[in-house]
Amino acid sequence: EAQVTQNPRYLITVTGKKLTVTCSQNMNHEYMSWYRQDPGLGLRQIYYSMNVEVTDKGDVPEGYKVSRKEKRNFPLILESPSPNQTSLYFCASSLLSGGAQSSTDTQYFGPGTRLTVL
Amino acid sequence: SQQGEEDPQALSIQEGENATMNCSYKTSINNLQWYRQNSGRGLVHLILIRSNEREKHSGRLRVTLDTSKKSSSLLITASRAADTASYFCATRGSGYSTLTFGKGTMLLVSP
Repeated sequence: EAQVTQNPRYLITVTGKKLTVTCSQNMNHEYMSWYRQDPGLGLRQIYYSMNVEVTDKGDVPEGYKVSRKEKRNFPLILESPSPNQTSLYFCASSLLSGGAQSSTDTQYFGPGTRLTVL
Repeated sequence: SQQGEEDPQALSIQEGENATMNCSYKTSINNLQWYRQNSGRGLVHLILIRSNEREKHSGRLRVTLDTSKKSSSLLITASRAADTASYFCATRGSGYSTLTFGKGTMLLVSP
């Protein structure tokens, strides 16, 4: 089954304790990205990657790191989490072939990771 | 930067009625997409309309795009209780830049 998986789904941690949220897709998509969703603010893009070893900042990258060592995986790293990073996080992937004018520019979202930083 | 803005923020209708949601954006786009989210779950892609298209249909969904007004609308015809969800528009700018989401419209369809 084509899907994007995220782990963990729920996480409660304390300020300053490094954590990683994993994201994996089995659709051979080039493009992967991370979003956070907060009440009243909608979804905001944190980082994205257009291919292996290629990553770029989104709208709210501060406090986050990513890596893209393999095509299928795109982990989100919080080196020193703070309470303002409490949020619902989504990973997404899509094909790049055809570009933004293509009808294949469709994001497939993971189920979300609810993170609470105390 | 937040680009798409949906209107209204919330919409409550009866089953069988049509639901219309609007999205406005600020800069030029390559495409505009609509997504649906059921309570805290992952978003699901509904429909994509390219900047050179004016209208698109998919089942009970109809999307229009007016690039001169920088706006789009999503029409769901003959709504069902199962359509209850939040709906987001997202815009893709030039090249393959970031996909920017709006804050969403919460749709409640009552039986």
